[in-house]
Amino acid sequence: DAKTTQPPSMDCAEGRAANLPCNHSTISGNEYVYWYRQIHSQGPQYIIHGLKNNETNEMASLIITEDRKSSTLILPHATLRDTAVYYCIVRADLEYGNKLVFGAGTILRVKS
Amino acid sequence: DTGVSQNPRHKITKRGQNVTFRCDPISEHNRLYWYRQTLGQGPEFLTYFQNEAQLEKSRLLSDRFSAERPKGSFSTLEIQRTEQGDSAMYLCASCLAGGSDEQFFGPGTRLTVL
Repeated sequence: DAKTTQPPSMDCAEGRAANLPCNHSTISGNEYVYWYRQIHSQGPQYIIHGLKNNETNEMASLIITEDRKSSTLILPHATLRDTAVYYCIVRADLEYGNKLVFGAGTILRVKS
Repeated sequence: DTGVSQNPRHKITKRGQNVTFRCDPISEHNRLYWYRQTLGQGPEFLTYFQNEAQLEKSRLLSDRFSAERPKGSFSTLEIQRTEQGDSAMYLCASCLAGGSDEQFFGPGTRLTVL
């Protein structure tokens, strides 16, 4: 699985958009980009994933660059409850058993 | 609540003792995963099952660790002769192979080895 690079921490004002970057310059053609987050004292929670097209769901948007070497997770209106560690993971498709390889992630602090 | 439960939530034990954790996945999920997480780090994959078959084990899973999923439903993770380095959060996740590919995580079992 390809390696990802994320900033260790970021701050965001409540109500503003939080843009979390991730570099994955060695991503392969069959590898997806996944985002999970982990709120303190809870298990990780799936947010979104994509291959090459931008994706949006009720939680967030995922923007993947055309060369797929980087991506940005966007939380459009961050709230205090979005304070968490955010993990960007790249992973090949289903036949590899779906295991997730987590890095250290980005600690997002949403402040009022 | 994701629908994945883990018991106990906390376990304190003395070095050298055996401990066993249980995970109950979402009922229709055929894949079950165990991860370990130490303070300040992301979770690390330990092993996974498809139905009752254990299909992959990480080299992190020493011979003191054993996991089972006897009927393809709940799973247990046993650590024998615990060491202080085993202190961590043990997370279980489940998903449906061929489904949405989203893994649902339980709240974890925090193990402290004294």
